[in-house]
Amino acid sequence: DAGVIQSPRHEVTEMGQEVTLRCKPISGHDYLFWYRQTMMRGLELLIYFNNNVPIDDSGMPEDRFSAKMPNASFSTLKIQPSEPRDSAVYFCASSLSSNGANVLTFGAGSRLTVL
Amino acid sequence: GENVEQHPSTLSVQEGDSAVIKCTYSDSASNYFPWYKQELGKRPQLIIDIRSNVGEKKDQRIAVTLNKTAKHFSLHITETQPEDSAVYFCAASTGTASKLTFGTGTRLQVTL
Repeated sequence: DAGVIQSPRHEVTEMGQEVTLRCKPISGHDYLFWYRQTMMRGLELLIYFNNNVPIDDSGMPEDRFSAKMPNASFSTLKIQPSEPRDSAVYFCASSLSSNGANVLTFGAGSRLTVL
Repeated sequence: GENVEQHPSTLSVQEGDSAVIKCTYSDSASNYFPWYKQELGKRPQLIIDIRSNVGEKKDQRIAVTLNKTAKHFSLHITETQPEDSAVYFCAASTGTASKLTFGTGTRLQVTL
C-alpha cells in the first residue's frame, strides 16, 4: 500500500479564496482523521470519520471549515473563505479499528499558505 | 476533555547520552499512550506506544514508562544518535475508537 495520500502538498492562495485539501486513506482502514499543525497550537484534531460517517467535528474551528467523506477511499477538507490565520500544515491520518483505531498512520501533509 | 502537557519543549543532549521526555494527562479514563516522532518537514510517525495494563515497554533504545496513579508517562531514549534529532509528541486517548490528544511536542537535538 502507498500509505495515506494527500494532495496538494503545497498550496498558496489569497485571502478569501476557497481551498480544498484531499486525502486517500490506506485501503481497508475504517477511521480517517484531519489534523492541523501550527507552531503555536501544535497538532489539533479537526474532525474524524468512522466508516465514512463524521463522529466528532468539535475541533473544526468555524463554519468556514467543512469536511466530507463520500466513500471509503476519499475525503476532502474545504476552507471557504480562507484567511491568513488558516495557514498551517494539514495532516490526514487513517487507522484500522481491529488494530486499535487510535494507532494512526499520517499522510505527508498539505502545507497551506494564505496571503 | 483530555489535556496533555509535555516537558521540556526543547532538549539538547550529546551523542551517546540519554534523553527523557515527560507527559502528564488529565483524564483518568485514558488508557492508550503513544509517542510519535516527526523529523523536519516530515509526517509524524508512531515509534512506541503503551496501554494502561502495562507499566513499561521497551523497543531497542527507546522505552516508555507509565504511572497511572500519578497520570504521567515518559519516553526514554538511550545511547542517542544524531538521527534521533526530531520533534517528539506524546498523546493520550480513552478506548480504541477515540481521538488522540497530543502534547505540544519536544524538540530533541542530539549534538556530536
